[in-house]
Amino acid sequence: DIVMTQSPDSLAVSLGERATINCKTSQSVLYSSNNKDHLTWHQQKPGQPPKLLIYWASTRESGVPDRFSGSGSGTDFTLTITNVQAEDVAVYYCQQYYSTPYTFGQGTKLEIK
Amino acid sequence: QVYLVQSGAEVKKPGSSVKVSCKASGGTFNSDAITWVRQAPGQGLQWMGGIIPRYGTTNYPQKFQGRVTITADDSTNTAYIELSSLRSEDTAVYYCATGSRVTTGQYYIHHWGQGTLVTVSS
Repeated sequence: DIVMTQSPDSLAVSLGERATINCKTSQSVLYSSNNKDHLTWHQQKPGQPPKLLIYWASTRESGVPDRFSGSGSGTDFTLTITNVQAEDVAVYYCQQYYSTPYTFGQGTKLEIK
Repeated sequence: QVYLVQSGAEVKKPGSSVKVSCKASGGTFNSDAITWVRQAPGQGLQWMGGIIPRYGTTNYPQKFQGRVTITADDSTNTAYIELSSLRSEDTAVYYCATGSRVTTGQYYIHHWGQGTLVTVSS
């Protein structure tokens, strides 16, 4: 199974500042057939189901604000949230769809300082 | 816009089974995958398997092999997950989600249902 490790487990940032969440996979999720990284980021606000933010490691889902961006390739990935807003308080999960069983990171909790 | 509506909360005894439904609308049920993810109280997300309704093919993690069954009825755009031999550790919110297919067997988790709380307690 591919192990997903996120860091940090939690972080607190001030409104308008930048938040950076890292995700490391135990093996590469770069698929040679399409030269794409099979990794998503999901946001889960309190009391709500998760919501897809990013797929292919860096493609924003329709309707997701452009202050959310994904980067990285192979085994190291980053979700960056610029100009953090109060409504961004949530737990963020990375997830790989390179091979089954599909696996998630443990989650990173974002709070406002 | 894709909508997934799941059945209501369940309370079950240890050793029994539970079946949760997920009705899809507004999407391409037959060509997408339907997948299930659970979340124990205060915990993270755990993939439980998926089905591609067009082909009827299923895929389960080793951890749940023999205990979980995912089915789909494309005449009603409804998917189901059944979990047997329930134990207290199965208490969780169970989410269905669509999977946007990227290869024959791979998909990324796309639209999520609202979740169904299953409580296992004697």
